[in-house]
Amino acid sequence: DTAVSQTPKYLVTQMGNDKSIKCEQNLGHDTMYWYKQDSKKFLKIMFSYNNKELIINETVPNRFSPKSPDKAHLNLHINSLELGDSAVYFCASTWGGPSGNTIYFGEGSWLTVV
Amino acid sequence: GQQLNQSPQSMFIQEGEDVSMNCTSSSIFNTWLWYKQDPGEGPVLLIALYKAGELTSNGRLTAQFGITRKDSFLNISASIPSDVGIYFCAGQGGSEKLVFGKGTKLTVNP
Repeated sequence: DTAVSQTPKYLVTQMGNDKSIKCEQNLGHDTMYWYKQDSKKFLKIMFSYNNKELIINETVPNRFSPKSPDKAHLNLHINSLELGDSAVYFCASTWGGPSGNTIYFGEGSWLTVV
Repeated sequence: GQQLNQSPQSMFIQEGEDVSMNCTSSSIFNTWLWYKQDPGEGPVLLIALYKAGELTSNGRLTAQFGITRKDSFLNISASIPSDVGIYFCAGQGGSEKLVFGKGTKLTVNP
């Protein structure tokens, strides 16, 4: 069973569209993240939720809206997609908040905006 | 904010050679993690370090938490072709979020 699963794995869409990426973890973790990996492979945190509450919100355009219906799910909705949004988005999870416990990553969602 | 310098950026080695990469921080960390990312996949945790001076092995991989708490290294011995990928260090101090290095891309020639 995949511990952190995200869908879709690949997404090609046109500028201006709205799209969502879904993430689920079955590890019993209470903290979930979204990371963005740019073309240079640099991983940067976007959001973190602990028990469905937003605890980290980096400087991300408000076109990006995370939603956590429960602590096992953290979805990412993106409005009005732009070319610069093309990247790989990784969902991840851990326990006990962002305090040093190891983070487990999903396999990534490759977003291409054309 | 906290910053991580990871080096080298890329390495091209022959199968069987040993590999060493390291990360340094501008501030003290309480945790160092090393991840590997295969092409088309998400990062997978290799080794986690929680104490200054800690030396931990995972098969042919060995990582150490520097005594100053500002650095960590990862060594791979007797490299094999499946070691190719991007290796990331990640560190965290106090209640700060985890910060990633920019990665070391490893190529192993058979």
